[in-house]
Amino acid sequence: AQSVTQPDARVTVSEGASLQLRCKYSYSATPYLFWYVQYPRQGLQLLLKYYSGDPVVQGVNSFEAEFSKSNSSFHLQKASVHWSDSAVYFCALSAVNSAGNKLTFGIGTRVLVRP
Amino acid sequence: EAAVTQSPRNKVAVTGGKVTLSCNQTNNHNNMYWYRQDTGHGLRLIHYSYGAGSTEKGDIPDGYKASRPSQENFSLILELATPSQTSVYFCASGDAGGRYAEQFFGPGTRLTVL
Repeated sequence: AQSVTQPDARVTVSEGASLQLRCKYSYSATPYLFWYVQYPRQGLQLLLKYYSGDPVVQGVNSFEAEFSKSNSSFHLQKASVHWSDSAVYFCALSAVNSAGNKLTFGIGTRVLVRP
Repeated sequence: EAAVTQSPRNKVAVTGGKVTLSCNQTNNHNNMYWYRQDTGHGLRLIHYSYGAGSTEKGDIPDGYKASRPSQENFSLILELATPSQTSVYFCASGDAGGRYAEQFFGPGTRLTVL
C-alpha cells in the first residue's frame, strides 16, 4: 500500500522569504505525484504534477517541486512568498495503473505568511 | 467553464437522520470521488465511481452509500447520520487512465451532525 507523509503540520514564514514544504512517499514504483493548495473555505486546486521526465516541475504561481526517486520525496518550493500564499498545501500520490486513479493524500501543511 | 459543484454548501443534520450530499460535474469525466477532510487526516476516500451506474468502496466506506445515476451526478448518502460524520466533504472528478490521474475538486460541503 502507498502512503504520503508531510512532516510539518504548520509552517510560518515572512513575506518575501523562501518556502519549502516537505513530502515523502512510500510506493514500490515511481508514482504520479501532485501538490494541491486549499485556500480558506475553498476546494483543492492543483499547483503542479509529476508523471515522468525532468524531476523539477514548474507549477502555477511560481511554485516548483523536485522529485527524488532515491529519497522518495517530492518537495515543494517557492523563492519568494506573498501573503496570499497563506493556505493549506497537500501532497498526493496516485499509483501507476491504479484502479480508478485513486489519490492518497498527506495530512497537509498549513502555511502562514506574515507581513 | 468546466466545473465541479456541490450542494448544499452547509448542512446541519440530527443524529439518526438521512443526509444526501450532491455533486455535479461538467468536465465529462468518467471517474468521480467523495472524500472527507478532517484535521490530522488530510483527505480520505469514501466512495468512487467509474461511470454511470457504478459505485466502488474507498478507504472509509462504513456508514456511507453512494449513487451515480448519470455521468454528471454523484451523490453521497448517510442513511443514519452520526456525530462522528461531522466533517467537510469534497467531491472530485477525473478522467480515466494513466497520466490523467489529476482530479478536479468541488468547493466542499460542511456537514454538522448534532
